[in-house]
Amino acid sequence: EPEVTQTPSHQVTQMGQEVILRCVPISNHLYFYWYRQILGQKVEFLVSFYNNEISEKSEIFDDQFSVERPDGSNFTLKIRSTKLEDSAMYFCASSMQGGNTEAFFGQGTRLTVV
Amino acid sequence: KQEVTQIPAALSVPEGENLVLNCSFTDSAIYNLQWFRQDPGKGLTSLLLIQSSQREQTSGRLNASLDKSSGRSTLYIAASQPGDSATYLCAVKGNTDKLIFGTGTRLQVFP
Repeated sequence: EPEVTQTPSHQVTQMGQEVILRCVPISNHLYFYWYRQILGQKVEFLVSFYNNEISEKSEIFDDQFSVERPDGSNFTLKIRSTKLEDSAMYFCASSMQGGNTEAFFGQGTRLTVV
Repeated sequence: KQEVTQIPAALSVPEGENLVLNCSFTDSAIYNLQWFRQDPGKGLTSLLLIQSSQREQTSGRLNASLDKSSGRSTLYIAASQPGDSATYLCAVKGNTDKLIFGTGTRLQVFP
């Protein structure tokens, strides 16, 4: 069964460093998303991406964050100058279309900023 | 602003019981509602998707219903098993592409 894959599963970084989280969405999907879950809190939306551009972003997704689809298969989230409060589980998701279609999530990358 | 709430927050039951997990949302203008399962420290596994025009969806021992006008969905788990132990999340999609998640129900089924 097709699945969304994320690497790495766990990343530890020092405060102020840049990290890139990687995702390979399901191959025939057109919409891509990043969500995050701070320990003990709700899963919250960061950004959606369609047709090589951001279609929506949340208040959390400020200039510190950026997304890219560098080739036909990968979808990345870059966090510049990480802060302690960026520590969270980051989930990538994809869907075939927007609107009414089902979203499929990856296993997540646990980011720990020290 | 859409708010999604799940009740109860935690549930512990003996194996074999039939369960009902509740999800409520404040804005009834949704496109769909999705139920997920999350195991500790793991990703989200999609269980069921209900379109706004549907009343229910079934998959195996799981049945999800949707009452859009009252802002409620329920997830019914029949004949619960220890392997069902996980956190169950509901999420709604409005007129944008993002999912808004509930607080989750942490379920423990003991033998």
